Amino acid sequence: DTGVSQDPRHKITKRGQNVTFRCDPISEHNRLYWYRQTLGQGPEFLTYFQNEAQLEKSRLLSDRFSAERPKGSFSTLEIQRTEQGDSAMYLCASSLGNYVEETQYFGPGTRLLVL
Amino acid sequence: GESVGLHLPTLSVQEGDNSIINCAYSNSASDYFIWYKQESGKGPQFIIDIRSNMDKRQGQRVTVLLNKTVKHLSLQIAATQPGDSAVYFCAENFGNEKLTFGTGTRLTIIP
Repeated sequence: DTGVSQDPRHKITKRGQNVTFRCDPISEHNRLYWYRQTLGQGPEFLTYFQNEAQLEKSRLLSDRFSAERPKGSFSTLEIQRTEQGDSAMYLCASSLGNYVEETQYFGPGTRLLVL
Repeated sequence: GESVGLHLPTLSVQEGDNSIINCAYSNSASDYFIWYKQESGKGPQFIIDIRSNMDKRQGQRVTVLLNKTVKHLSLQIAATQPGDSAVYFCAENFGNEKLTFGTGTRLTIIP
């Protein structure tokens, strides 16, 4: 399967713990996006990368959240000192990043439950 | 603020009938619109897209219509099948950056 992959698919953690999620984009895609989706809502933008550069961060991304894409390939999203309000599905998407082909393709998501 | 919204949260359609899912957007500067399908426990799956310089685009069993005058987007699914049951989101994009999603419409196909 050459689509976007995410790991882990599910994570249960206790409040106050740190968690890290990984996303592997489609191999030739330059852009990588993180979104968060809560039950019954559409995905909300968190941040995105053009190669290794983080170009935009949403106000939803508090200081406890950090994302990296060190070599312009896979990306990690870390949440420090998790809170119950962080419980959500975290989605990763990738795109070629040019005007001709803008389509963002999503991975299966990581479902986080903070107890 | 800018938003993408949907007229109906749920839609039930008889198998074999056509379905129409509607979406309103408020940002007249948006230049790219996408429809995604999301099944339970899965990530959004791309269905079809359309640019603001087009009014209509067709895919396999799906058609997207864009009315820029009233800022309205619709997704038509022909001859619906049980596998079409899912939540459908429209999303807008301007400047080739982040997507802004609506809350979605749940489509249920009645056998």
